[in-house]
Amino acid sequence: NAGVTQTPKFRVLKTGQSMTLLCAQDMNHEYMYWYRQDPGMGLRLIHYSVGEGTTAKGEVPDGYNVSRLKKQNFLLGLESAAPSQTSVYFCASTLTSSGNNEQFFGPGTRLTVL
Amino acid sequence: SQKIEQNSEALNIQEGKTATLTCNYTNYSPAYLQWYRQDPGRGPVFLLLIRENEKEKRKERLKVTFDTTLKQSLFHITASQPADSATYLCAPQKDSGGYQKVTFGTGTKLQVIP
Repeated sequence: NAGVTQTPKFRVLKTGQSMTLLCAQDMNHEYMYWYRQDPGMGLRLIHYSVGEGTTAKGEVPDGYNVSRLKKQNFLLGLESAAPSQTSVYFCASTLTSSGNNEQFFGPGTRLTVL
Repeated sequence: SQKIEQNSEALNIQEGKTATLTCNYTNYSPAYLQWYRQDPGRGPVFLLLIRENEKEKRKERLKVTFDTTLKQSLFHITASQPADSATYLCAPQKDSGGYQKVTFGTGTKLQVIP
């Protein structure tokens, strides 16, 4: 099993450009999450999904959109990138929503917006 | 608002000694608390989970305590090794509206000196 994979690993954008980050998991997990990690801020939840076709806002959703068309994939989109979106983005998944569920994280995408 | 505090300064410890990391939380009553390890350039990896009705949890050289009165969790690594050097994240967790809401601390960087 590959676990959770993310593409791309690195990306540089200019302000105003758009891009999509792809997260894929092969563990048949129901729940998937997108986080951003900034120095001194910890991991902050952007959006999450409780199953195929459903998404919800997290703590810092502004400027981002997501889609979960297939159970194994969770896409994060930036429609018009801003320098404030420079960050490391992590995708995670969990099997269910019961309490004692560890989160499986991907390797991250380092995004720089100039 | 909910707040999670971990030692912001790095913890340096001699090989073979016990490392103790602290996680304090306020305005929060988590049902579970998770601990993760994060190496530079990688996603977090789950280590241990402890429930609110458990005082202590052990896994090999790792031990976690959870004091809901003090609103504190302690994470211990006994017989520490240089390979234990990493950042450790505390993540209180509470079921919220049908999904597990996990809030991550900013982490404590541990350096084990040979």
